[in-house]
Amino acid sequence: QSALTQPASVSGSPGQSITISCTGTSSDVGRYEYVSWYQQHPGKAPKLIIYEVTHRPSGVSNRFSGSKSGNTASLAISGLQSEDEADYYCGSYTINTTLFVFGTGTNVAVL
Amino acid sequence: EVQLVQSGAEVKKPGESLRISCKGSGYNFGIYWIGWVRQKPGKGLEWMGVIYPGDSDTRYSPSFQGQVVISVDKSVNTAALQWSSLKASDTAIYYCARLRDHEIDYWGQGTLVTVSS
Repeated sequence: QSALTQPASVSGSPGQSITISCTGTSSDVGRYEYVSWYQQHPGKAPKLIIYEVTHRPSGVSNRFSGSKSGNTASLAISGLQSEDEADYYCGSYTINTTLFVFGTGTNVAVL
Repeated sequence: EVQLVQSGAEVKKPGESLRISCKGSGYNFGIYWIGWVRQKPGKGLEWMGVIYPGDSDTRYSPSFQGQVVISVDKSVNTAALQWSSLKASDTAIYYCARLRDHEIDYWGQGTLVTVSS
């Protein structure tokens, strides 16, 4: 049961838009509309920012948006701000017995 | 308010045993899966396994099968993660997390486990 694949790092200037990809398989990302995204600042616990591919929890900025095509999901961050500097992880429900799998994680730098 | 409160940081020697805990409050503890997540220093999140407090159904990720034991005591709303013989490579932050249907909606604050001789 392998982790979902994400780019190690993505960077952008303030105000720009960036996209982070998350590639899985037909057992997880491609099978269900249950991709989620988590933001983790240094020294903090992760925080849910997108669930069920496109939904934002209450209080999460609408600058964050999610999408999916086939076995690949994406997180877009628009109007990049310094506070967006963090690690981002995708996750997916999986057909495997352990129910859930994480992505490898992406460090976002705001230049 | 939903909360997952974990036990405090631990410093142990290789070969020692350890149990860390995660107490849920503010919701019906018995009807949500609780997962455990490992994060080694400077590394990503790893899904270790999950337990359903309602019936103690437990599933382990292949990398962690046989290495740890996940348990739950529904009477005190507490899940636990334990090792019988720690290794230096077990040094990490361990998070418990509530699985709401298909995503993690609440996290514990994390427990730092340091294993060093």
